[in-house]
Amino acid sequence: GEDVEQSLFLSVREGDSSVINCTYTDSSSTYLYWYKQEPGAGLQLLTYIFSNMDMKQDQRLTVLLNKKDKHLSLRIADTQTGDSAIYFCADRLGGATNKLIFGTGTLLAVQP
Amino acid sequence: KAGVTQTPRYLIKTRGQQVTLSCSPISGHRSVSWYQQTPGQGLQFLFEYFSETQRNKGNFPGRFSGRQFSNSRSEMNVSTLELGDSALYLCASSFPGEETQYFGPGTRLLVL
Repeated sequence: GEDVEQSLFLSVREGDSSVINCTYTDSSSTYLYWYKQEPGAGLQLLTYIFSNMDMKQDQRLTVLLNKKDKHLSLRIADTQTGDSAIYFCADRLGGATNKLIFGTGTLLAVQP
Repeated sequence: KAGVTQTPRYLIKTRGQQVTLSCSPISGHRSVSWYQQTPGQGLQFLFEYFSETQRNKGNFPGRFSGRQFSNSRSEMNVSTLELGDSALYLCASSFPGEETQYFGPGTRLLVL
């Protein structure tokens, strides 16, 4: 079945780069997404990548996709304390659907 | 442009009762999806509506139902509430043909 896995926790110092990793199992993925959730809030779309791309850069965010290994990563450059949140990787399946399969979420803690 | 809105934001119910949650998508968006978020199970897909038709359904019991109106607003209903239905219920909307989905702030349901 479809599954998305993430590591649970990452701690970095302010100013360092953060790299959050995700693996997925589905072979018919069309798009892969990164969402951010702050305490008590909904999900904020950060960025996404089409399954045929290898990399996408968006300001401080870089997404790398290794389709062969079904591995996705999100790099946040110059991490700030305001980046502290839970980050979810999500896989959108093929076909006429917007259904997303979410990972367990990675808690990013940024130390000042 | 206003974002996705969900009402109510917080709700307390008792076991056996039923509840109706509402989601108003971003103007022009015709697809609405619902997700349940719990600490134990994470984010799980409930169902998806497009142009008033259910396009996809997750693995939830029949107590969970939904509908979409001609103005694209959507409601979900949970009957005979159980303690395990306590969760954050999130809805997301998207524009036809676009790859991005935007989430609302969620409705936090507590079942006592």
